[in-house]
Amino acid sequence: EAGVAQSPRYKIIEKRQSVAFWCNPISGHATLYWYQQILGQGPKLLIQFQNNGVVDDSQLPKDRFSAERLKGVDSTLKIQPAKLEDSAVYLCASSLDRGLGGYTFGSGTRLTVV
Amino acid sequence: QQPVQSPQAVILREGEDAVINCSSSKALYSVHWYRQKHGEAPVFLMILLKGGEQKGHEKISASFNEKKQQSSLYLTASQLSYSGTYFCGTEDTTDKLIFGTGTRLQVFP
Repeated sequence: EAGVAQSPRYKIIEKRQSVAFWCNPISGHATLYWYQQILGQGPKLLIQFQNNGVVDDSQLPKDRFSAERLKGVDSTLKIQPAKLEDSAVYLCASSLDRGLGGYTFGSGTRLTVV
Repeated sequence: QQPVQSPQAVILREGEDAVINCSSSKALYSVHWYRQKHGEAPVFLMILLKGGEQKGHEKISASFNEKKQQSSLYLTASQLSYSGTYFCGTEDTTDKLIFGTGTRLQVFP
């Protein structure tokens, strides 16, 4: 089974620039998650989709972050404008049925804002 | 509320055992356990459901005390490959998985 695909793997941008991350979940996984992991900390949930609908985005800084999941498959997370504190690894994960089989994570995108 | 894990770090020799604890202030529906190696994504180890039994995976097992809102991960006869950071993830009725503070485990020969 193919895993969760993410791109790019690394990204360096200047503050106030914009950036977008892409995720393709495991085929058939209805639920998709974006997590932010700052160095030395546990992943923090930003947004959760069920098919193409948003289940939870309470932790998403909506003044600068946006996410969409078109047709219930691929997803894109965007930051505009980026701040220094956005430097982190952005992890995408997917799961079946409320995550009863666990979440499968992609390799992540390491973002550095300078 | 983020679950709290203890200890923060563990150093072991190969073959030794370890226990990692995860404690939440909220009533839980499930607890997940993940291992993350440096520079890699978290990898799912197991899930424990409310009302479920203690789970096992090779020499790694876990328990879930619903009344105390606590879970423990047991690593027996540790191997070098067990090194990494272990995260619990707790889920309440809102369907959100909140990751814990993490426990860094290092196994030496």
